[in-house]
Amino acid sequence: AQTVTQSQPEMSVQEAETVTLSCTYDTSESDYYLFWYKQPPSRQMILVIRQEAYKQQNATENRFSVNFQKAAKSFSLKISDSQLGDAAMYFCAYQDSWGKFQFGAGTQVVVTP
Amino acid sequence: DTGVSQNPRHKITKRGQNVTFRCDPISEHNRLYWYRQTLGQGPEFLTYFQNEAQLEKSRLLSDRFSAERPKGSFSTLEIQRTEQGDSAMYLCASSPQGASQETQYFGPGTRLLVL
Repeated sequence: AQTVTQSQPEMSVQEAETVTLSCTYDTSESDYYLFWYKQPPSRQMILVIRQEAYKQQNATENRFSVNFQKAAKSFSLKISDSQLGDAAMYFCAYQDSWGKFQFGAGTQVVVTP
Repeated sequence: DTGVSQNPRHKITKRGQNVTFRCDPISEHNRLYWYRQTLGQGPEFLTYFQNEAQLEKSRLLSDRFSAERPKGSFSTLEIQRTEQGDSAMYLCASSPQGASQETQYFGPGTRLLVL
């Protein structure tokens, strides 16, 4: 079974600064996708970014980028130029070949003015 | 496209009662997933459908839980004889046709409190 580990329960960042959230996973599959979702206090999960395991190039989406290290099974998220609206719980998720997600426990991002 | 909707948003019930939740996926999304999220944790997979067929159920889904998607559109999740341990947020997500590995779009969830 796949496991996803987010070792940082909470990360604090000042506005306009950069923060990196870590995520590691364990799998024996070769075909999988990785996602970062954001869950603001309203609790609706929103897609931040996704990465296909077969692609070596790291995904980017505006101020959000990932560092995907397939051999190390690591998938970190970098938030650049942090904004107050980035404050939320961030979940790393592994998607298997059947489409099911395995989520990590989450990292709470706190943005200070 | 109105997104995934779930009803009710909140439900308070007494232990032993039955509850039913509804999920309306994004139109024409053929995959629908149910997850359970307890406080401070990530969502946990419960079950999923491709059209009206239920393809997999997690071992978390005891025989008190049943899910249906009768016409391949909306889905219901019923919990019979609720227990206090069932208190959680129940999330629904849908994904479009095509490959199984697609982005899932989540609804706002139904928060259940069992007294």
